[in-house]
Amino acid sequence: EAEVAQSPRYKITEKSQAVAFWCDPISGHATLYWYRQILGQGPELLVQFQDESVVDDSQLPKDRFSAERLKGVDSTLKIQPAELGDSAMYLCASSLAVGQETQYFGPGTRLLVL
Amino acid sequence: GQQVMQIPQYQHVQEGEDFTTYCNSSTTLSNIQWYKQRPGGHPVFLIQLVKSGEVKKQKRLTFQFGEAKKNSSLHITATQTTDVGTYFCAANDYKLSFGAGTTVTVRA
Repeated sequence: EAEVAQSPRYKITEKSQAVAFWCDPISGHATLYWYRQILGQGPELLVQFQDESVVDDSQLPKDRFSAERLKGVDSTLKIQPAELGDSAMYLCASSLAVGQETQYFGPGTRLLVL
Repeated sequence: GQQVMQIPQYQHVQEGEDFTTYCNSSTTLSNIQWYKQRPGGHPVFLIQLVKSGEVKKQKRLTFQFGEAKKNSSLHITATQTTDVGTYFCAANDYKLSFGAGTTVTVRA
């Protein structure tokens, strides 16, 4: 069964450093999502792509976070500079299209900022 | 996005017993999805409810969507150790707004 791939699985960094996460969605899925999940909470949408275009980035802290999906396939989420409060699980998900029934989540990248 | 509240936050269940977790919204929902996240894992889609009063079953899991489309519930019968995890509801209006989840532990 096809899966969403994410790397790295774990990342430890010091505050003020830059970090980047990579996501490869299920082949053929036009919509890609980045979520942040703080321990004990539900996932919070950061950014949503339809192909290479951003559909929603209203919750993305744009002063330090950026996301791109240049060729409409894989995607990178970057944080620069990282802050202590950024420690969380970063989940990538994909679906066939916007509003499609099922979102498929990757295993996530657990970030610890020291 | 639309906000949903889930209760209870934690559910400790004796193996073999039934339990219900609830998801409530102050606004009418277009549809609602349920996901399960095992400890250390990622959310996995369980079901989507669209119609007012809709009831769907998956083996021992029964999902309901309220008549006013403002609440939903997940009922699990004869709880097993494999049911351990956090169950999230998510309001779907072309983006998902997740509740905080109900974390279920099972006493064998």
